[in-house]
Amino acid sequence: GQQVMQIPQYQHVQEGEDFTTYCNSSTTLSNIQWYKQRPGGHPVFLIQLVKSGEVKKQKRLTFQFGEAKKNSSLHITATQTTDVGTYFCPYYGGSQGNLIFGKGTKLSVKP
Amino acid sequence: ETGVTQTPRHLVMGMTNKKSLKCEQHLGHNAMYWYKQSAKKPLELMFVYSLEERVENNSVPSRFSPECPNSSHLFLHLHTLQPEDSALYLCASSQFPGQGGYGYTFGSGTRLTVV
Repeated sequence: GQQVMQIPQYQHVQEGEDFTTYCNSSTTLSNIQWYKQRPGGHPVFLIQLVKSGEVKKQKRLTFQFGEAKKNSSLHITATQTTDVGTYFCPYYGGSQGNLIFGKGTKLSVKP
Repeated sequence: ETGVTQTPRHLVMGMTNKKSLKCEQHLGHNAMYWYKQSAKKPLELMFVYSLEERVENNSVPSRFSPECPNSSHLFLHLHTLQPEDSALYLCASSQFPGQGGYGYTFGSGTRLTVV
């Protein structure tokens, strides 16, 4: 069945450093979404990517969808302590095409 | 305020108790979901309701019983739970089918502890 692996599972950075997390699928994805969950919080939708090679930016966050639509990345420039949390790239799967979450990447930022 | 409200925020219950979790969405969405998040596992999809009909039940034990009386409200009835059911239970809503680009909106969750 379809699997989406996200790496790394954990990332510790110094404030001001850049951060990237990657999602790789075994099959072509129709689209991919990104969510952020702060410690003690709930997942919050960030963005959806649909087109091959698509790049979208939200301030210091850059999201990319691979040309083959089998991988995606989230890059944060000059991390801040407010970026702390777990970033997820769920995909639509299951019998009814609902969002399936993986373990995500847990980002910690040292001030 | 996320547009999806869950109550209670915290719940401690004994294994013989019966309790219910409540979720209400104010976004006009037509699909609602229950997810379970525990320390050792990723977010697990439990139930999906679309237009008030259950469309997915991911092999969830019968001690969890969902109810969706209308498109704005979702309940999760709990009875004879086990300590391993302790987790964060998250409700979410979206437009169904959910690939319209707006994502799922999650509530703040109910932190459940079974003693």
